[in-house]
Amino acid sequence: GAGVSQSPRYKVTKRGQDVALRCDPISGHVSLYWYRQALGQGPEFLTYFNYEAQQDKSGLPNDRFSAERPEGSISTLTIQRTEQRDSAMYRCASSYGLDTDTQYFGPGTRLTVL
Amino acid sequence: GESVGLHLPTLSVQEGDNSIINCAYSNSASDYFIWYKQESGKGPQFIIDIRSNMDKRQGQRVTVLLNKTVKHLSLQIAATQPGDSAVYFCAGEGQNFVFGPGTRLSVLP
Repeated sequence: GAGVSQSPRYKVTKRGQDVALRCDPISGHVSLYWYRQALGQGPEFLTYFNYEAQQDKSGLPNDRFSAERPEGSISTLTIQRTEQRDSAMYRCASSYGLDTDTQYFGPGTRLTVL
Repeated sequence: GESVGLHLPTLSVQEGDNSIINCAYSNSASDYFIWYKQESGKGPQFIIDIRSNMDKRQGQRVTVLLNKTVKHLSLQIAATQPGDSAVYFCAGEGQNFVFGPGTRLSVLP
């Protein structure tokens, strides 16, 4: 596609349920980043991949959060046993090159945990 | 489309000197800007942000300046330390976020 896409765009779930958020990066982009963004603030780094390898997951809040990118393209961010505090916009970005290249963001998934 | 970019890909400064990293943006509708720092093998970490109704904001050893007239953003780091060596990204939100290509800051002993 022309840009980074994310699905679903909106997700409402009940506390305790697991959710899976998908990111489809720009074709050919090597690096893929996941961020969480609170209202009125900038994206907060969660984790990133170069190809299929997870480079840094230090931003994941706790072990309920995990991410994978098994074939170096599409990535899934999974949140297990969701809690209300997990409600946020989850954004994905990709870049053509490694580390220092321009990152292009997707539209985000708005997660609401009831 | 919108773009956010940096004037220089690398910057070398002496330890103790001040560093200035520049950034230009094209989307005049951008109303929120952020600077991130990325160390090798790690993800971007938030440094400081500024909204378009401000032209200056100070943090601990860092200052961000915003010139909306020329669509220019800068990050000033006072008394640069070895631990400041990293890649610095600026990001602007208009319709969507774009991170410009990074500037690599190297601090010389």
